[in-house]
Amino acid sequence: QLQLQESGPGLVKPSETLSLTCTVSGGSISSSSNHWGWIRQPPGKGLEWIGTIYYSGSTYYNPSLKSRVTISVDTSKNQFSLKLSSVTAADTAVYYCARHMTTVATDWFDPWGQGTLVTVSS
Amino acid sequence: QSALTQPASVSGSPGQSITISCTGTSSDVSGYNYVSWYQQHPGKAPKLMIYDVSKRPSGVSNRFSGSKSGNTASLTISGLQAEDEADYYCCSYAGSSTWVFGGGTKLTVL
Repeated sequence: QLQLQESGPGLVKPSETLSLTCTVSGGSISSSSNHWGWIRQPPGKGLEWIGTIYYSGSTYYNPSLKSRVTISVDTSKNQFSLKLSSVTAADTAVYYCARHMTTVATDWFDPWGQGTLVTVSS
Repeated sequence: QSALTQPASVSGSPGQSITISCTGTSSDVSGYNYVSWYQQHPGKAPKLMIYDVSKRPSGVSNRFSGSKSGNTASLTISGLQAEDEADYYCCSYAGSSTWVFGGGTKLTVL
C-alpha cells in the first residue's frame, strides 16, 4: 500500500527558501505509472495545486508560483522534494504531497501524505 | 487560472441527498473529463471520492456520485450520514499540464 510522508522545517523566515521532502513507501517512485504532486492549503482556506513531477522528470507548475517553485525527485531515496523561494507570510500553509495519477485516460491525486504545516515568520 | 467556484456551504438532514456544484470554464471543467472530488475532515488529509467526473475508487461508498454538465460538475451524496460532514473540494485539469481546485464546500449534516 502506497504511503507518503512529508518532512521539513515548520518555520521559515521571510525571503528565505522553503524546502520539503516527501518520502514514498510501499512502491517505487520511478514507476512509469506514477507521477507526484505538491498541494498546499493556507489555514482556513482551500487547496491550491503547486506542481507535479512526472516519472520522466518533467515538471509542471502552477503559473502563479512558477517563478519560485522547483520540484525534483531523488530515486535513490524514493523521495521527491519541493523548494519555494522568496517566501512571504502568504506562503504559510499546510503542504501536502500526493501521488498524481495522470494519463490520457484518467486523472486524480491519491494517496495524500498527512500534510505538514509551514509557517513563514521572522 | 482561477479557482473553480463552489458554494461555501451546503447542509442536509440524515437520509437526505445533497448536491455540491463546481463551476469552471471551457478551459477546465467543460474542456476535459478530468474532474475529481476530495473529502477532507478537520485536521486530516483530503481523500479521493470521485475521479474522471463520475468514477468511484474502490472502497468509496456508492452513496457518492459525480456528474458534469457544461461548465459545472456536481457531487451528489445520497442517504446523508453524520460521517459525511466534512469539506469537499473539486479539482479539474486546466490544460497545458496545469490543475485547478475549487474553493471548497463545507457540508453540514443537521
